[in-house]
Amino acid sequence: GEDVEQSLFLSVREGDSSVINCTYTDSSSTYLYWYKQEPGAGLQLLTYIFSNMDMKQDQRLTVLLNKKDKHLSLRIADTQTGDSAIYFCAESIRDYKLSFGAGTTVTVRA
Amino acid sequence: DAMVIQNPRYQVTQFGKPVTLSCSQTLNHNVMYWYQQKSSQAPKLLFHYYDKDFNNEADTPDNFQSRRPNTSFCFLDIRSPGLGDAAMYLCATSRGGENTEAFFGQGTRLTVV
Repeated sequence: GEDVEQSLFLSVREGDSSVINCTYTDSSSTYLYWYKQEPGAGLQLLTYIFSNMDMKQDQRLTVLLNKKDKHLSLRIADTQTGDSAIYFCAESIRDYKLSFGAGTTVTVRA
Repeated sequence: DAMVIQNPRYQVTQFGKPVTLSCSQTLNHNVMYWYQQKSSQAPKLLFHYYDKDFNNEADTPDNFQSRRPNTSFCFLDIRSPGLGDAAMYLCATSRGGENTEAFFGQGTRLTVV
């Protein structure tokens, strides 16, 4: 089946690291994605990881993948107020489609 | 430079009056998608095209139709909008390979009055 789960809310202090967690069910997913959505806007692709990798780093973003546990995480270093948004985890599934989680609302407090 | 462009950004329509939302892309991608998103929920896929091949999701209401006249353009037609159809509608594209890296437009916020 295809089911992606995320915690709904995360509050973090400015300058700290944020860690957003996600679990997925489709073991055949070859790619997993993190998207960011700011209020009233579309989804912006932040990063993705291929399933044969266990880590990917891109500037302040670090993605960790535990394929055995079907667990994906996104770490944002030095979180800024501009990082306040909803973050969606997604997995690639059949027929060129994505299955999205419900999104984690990240609030950055001063 | 905008790569997936949706027009209009905001659309108000009357209950039961047909409305069309449009999407264009400059990426020359094979796949175009339409999603419905309500109240910061996960985007819900309505349908997608691979080139001209149309793929409808099983739970997409018949009230929703789509057209893709060429590679660049895709339209979402809502034949008789109800109050429950008020939502953000997101268009996205992808190349159509193994990596389903999708690029989204800014969305059209639909209000039904």
